[in-house]
Amino acid sequence: EDKVVQSPLSLVVHEGDTVTLNCSYEVTNFRSLLWYKQEKKAPTFLFMLTSSGIEKKSGRLSSILDKKELFSILNITATQTGDSAIYLCAVGESTGTASKLTFGTGTRLQVTL
Amino acid sequence: DAGVIQSPRHEVTEMGQEVTLRCKPISGHDYLFWYRQTMMRGLELLIYFNNNVPIDDSGMPEDRFSAKMPNASFSTLKIQPSEPRDSAVYFCASSPDRGVSTDTQYFGPGTRLTVL
Repeated sequence: EDKVVQSPLSLVVHEGDTVTLNCSYEVTNFRSLLWYKQEKKAPTFLFMLTSSGIEKKSGRLSSILDKKELFSILNITATQTGDSAIYLCAVGESTGTASKLTFGTGTRLQVTL
Repeated sequence: DAGVIQSPRHEVTEMGQEVTLRCKPISGHDYLFWYRQTMMRGLELLIYFNNNVPIDDSGMPEDRFSAKMPNASFSTLKIQPSEPRDSAVYFCASSPDRGVSTDTQYFGPGTRLTVL
């Protein structure tokens, strides 16, 4: 069965800290890995990664994929209280007609003052 | 452009009642997905459509759940009869049909369903 495992499950840091969130996966026909941020409402898209070793960056957030070791990390530098959220990792796999996403259970990040 | 629209945002019903959740995908998106999110199981794919045709409904928990997409701008997820264990947040998401970009799904605000 396909699996997406995120760690840690939850994390509490102080504002200004740097955090690294992990996502490992086992899927049959890997196509992409996506990171989403979920605050109180819907998951919002952060990054999509398809190639190993190429860092995607947006402001204080960055992510990289290792297709050999089957994992990805999401880094957040100089964390702010607004970064508090659940971060979801999802893996897309080719199914012939479309790509299904399998989500991990998420990492709950809390940034305190 | 409006994002994915879902209604109602909250639904409280009694066990045994029929529940209908509604979704309007982003205009021009060819894929529509229905998910359920609970604390215990996280975000689970229930069913998805491509060009209004159901492609994979293997995630639908049982026959009490059904989904339709009568046209490109509207889909429903129906639960009949509802049970307390169906209480969850139900998300609808859509994505365009553009190769790997299809994987980038855009989520609606969700419907929080409570079955008493």
